[in-house]
Amino acid sequence: EVQLVESGGGLVQSGGSLRLFCAVSGITVSSEFMSWVRQAPGKGPEWVSVIYSGGTTYYADSVKGRFSISRDNSKNTLYLQMNSLRAEDTAVYYCARQRGQYYYYHYMDVWGKGTTVTVSS
Amino acid sequence: QSVLTQPPSVSGAPGQRVTISCTGSSSNIGAAYDVHWYQQLPGTAPKLLIFDNINRPSGVPDRFSASKSGTSASLAITGLQAEDEADYYCQSYDTSLSAYVFGSGTKVTVL
Repeated sequence: EVQLVESGGGLVQSGGSLRLFCAVSGITVSSEFMSWVRQAPGKGPEWVSVIYSGGTTYYADSVKGRFSISRDNSKNTLYLQMNSLRAEDTAVYYCARQRGQYYYYHYMDVWGKGTTVTVSS
Repeated sequence: QSVLTQPPSVSGAPGQRVTISCTGSSSNIGAAYDVHWYQQLPGTAPKLLIFDNINRPSGVPDRFSASKSGTSASLAITGLQAEDEADYYCQSYDTSLSAYVFGSGTKVTVL
């Protein structure tokens, strides 16, 4: 069974940094397309970033230059380093496995339970 | 402001059929990118409901079906049940944004 377990969320001041973790089991993180998706209170999901099995990374414009996605193959763990945090980054952050024939057909078929990030201004 | 527009809410009595629309543009659904649907029960993570426009993952009841045409897609729930009360989101890819995009979400209420 595939399981994704996020951690690392918390309360941080505007301008601060936070590192999120996603412990993966049941699959090999280096063989999958893994993404971070966030959901602000009362809003719909917003895709944040993806790392492809080959290591290529992509980001939403809203986080480009501030957030960095990475993985540790030996720990089978996905990370999201978040710098220069803003109030609008407040959300539940989910890690998810991304699948599909081509990248523009991708969907998220397995999700973690999420970790909450609150940025105070 | 979501690039995929959904009605904020739909409702129906148990056993009825409801549909949820997802309207995009020529840079996403109209560009022939696939549409996927998610169900989010209160306090839980989104769950994949439909992928590649019409396909149900294993375990999803056949009461859920979907279609796509032009710049829009729709999700139908037939034989509405109390446990279908949830938020539903469509998702596609937008070539102008170079990003995966989600719909604004629709709350389904079972009367």
